[in-house]
Amino acid sequence: RKEVEQDPGPFNVPEGATVAFNCTYSNSASQSFFWYRQDCRKEPKLLMSVYSSGNEDGRFTAQLNRASQYISLLIRDSKLSDSATYLCVVTRDSSYKLIFGSGTRLLVRP
Amino acid sequence: DTGVSQNPRHKITKRGQNVTFRCDPISEHNRLYWYRQTLGQGPEFLTYFQNEAQLEKSRLLSDRFSAERPKGSFSTLEIQRTEQGDSAMYLCASSPDRGGTNEKLFFGSGTQLSVL
Repeated sequence: RKEVEQDPGPFNVPEGATVAFNCTYSNSASQSFFWYRQDCRKEPKLLMSVYSSGNEDGRFTAQLNRASQYISLLIRDSKLSDSATYLCVVTRDSSYKLIFGSGTRLLVRP
Repeated sequence: DTGVSQNPRHKITKRGQNVTFRCDPISEHNRLYWYRQTLGQGPEFLTYFQNEAQLEKSRLLSDRFSAERPKGSFSTLEIQRTEQGDSAMYLCASSPDRGGTNEKLFFGSGTQLSVL
């Protein structure tokens, strides 16, 4: 079993739709949580960190459920430019190593 | 350009040859990471450095792989006796050392390795 699991998708949604991705992690000692975005043939870039109380950045909302060991990302009012792969990322214990999921692909159509 | 720089962008080699990649991190960043990514997968951790010290190395990294960061600045990743299974995108990332694990990684554009 992978340490970080994501539905690979693709999620195909119309512009303006709301879409949500979930991610589960297996190690209860995981400390820090992130969502990275990766465009086709580009490097990953940090989208947002995920805090225990949940956090919002514009149209993006991230939530963490430590008891169930899952992280979610909600995108409201989807734009064409949101089309990308969204990578769920965790760190374990006090390590600075980031562990990536395989990513969820989002396609936003006109 | 003050981002993470990787060279070369592409490398095609024959099976059995040695290859070396270079990464220049953002200048004030103390931590440097190497990841490998194949199509449809997320980046897979290989190793990371705190300044010149190699602090962690993946168990998946065979003894054909070696990484160095001799002066705590740029880093090299060498693969000896390449195999077709080594074909992947090799990504370098850096981050500042502000304490804690909640730090942003800045990735380079990667080196795409093709082993024929």
